[in-house]
Amino acid sequence: GAVVSQHPSRVICKSGTSVKIECRSLDFQATTMFWYRQFPKQSLMLMATSNEGSKATYEQGVEKDKFLINHASLTLSTLTVTSAHPEDSSFYICRANPDRVGSNQPQHFGDGTRLSIL
Amino acid sequence: EDQVTQSPEALRLQEGESSSLNCSYTVSGLRGLFWYRQDPGKGPEFLFTLYSAGEEKEKERLKATLTKKESFLHITAPKPEDSATYLCAVRAAGNKLTFGGGTRVLVKP
Repeated sequence: GAVVSQHPSRVICKSGTSVKIECRSLDFQATTMFWYRQFPKQSLMLMATSNEGSKATYEQGVEKDKFLINHASLTLSTLTVTSAHPEDSSFYICRANPDRVGSNQPQHFGDGTRLSIL
Repeated sequence: EDQVTQSPEALRLQEGESSSLNCSYTVSGLRGLFWYRQDPGKGPEFLFTLYSAGEEKEKERLKATLTKKESFLHITAPKPEDSATYLCAVRAAGNKLTFGGGTRVLVKP
C-alpha cells in the first residue's frame, strides 16, 4: 500500500538549533502535502499546506519564518523549524495527498517526528 | 468555522465490554467524516470514511455510523489490542481536515 516515510522519528537538540524534518511519499506522487502539530493528549492541528513548486499556505497563527516549508519534488516535502525553542517541542506529522485519480481518502500519514528542545 | 468534538476524552473498558465513542461536528458542506486509530508515537491509521447520514462501515470489532450531526464508533467485545486513541476528522470544501480531540481507549484484560 501507499507509504509515507517521515524522518527523523525523534530529535533532541539544544535551544537555538534549526531542525529539518523530511516527508517522503515512497510509491506515489504528491503535489500537495500537509504538516500537522500535535501536543500531548491533544489532536492534530494543521500548520500548513505544502504545494510542489509553489509557496506553502500557512494556517492562521503559524509563523512562516519560523516553520520553513520546501516542496521541491513530487515526493518530498521538508519542514524546517528555525532557531527552535522549548515551546516548539511537539510531535510533528505529515500527510501526503496522492495525485492519482480516484485517490480521495486522507489516509497517507507519516509516523511523526518527536521534537524535543532542551 | 468547522468544529469537531469527541467524547469521552478517555475510556477504560474491560475486555469484552462493548462501548461507543462519539464525534459531534458542525461543518458547512461535509465532504467526508473520517475515523482514525493512533498508537503512541505513531501517525494516524485510517479506519473509515463516511459520506452521508445513515451510512455505516464495519471492520472487525469496529463499526462507524453517521447522522447529520454526529458519528459513533462502536467497539464490540474489545480486546487489549484495541487500546489506542481514536480520532475523528471532517473534511469540508478545500480538502482541509479538521480533527477532534480524540478519545483515549484503554482495554484491560
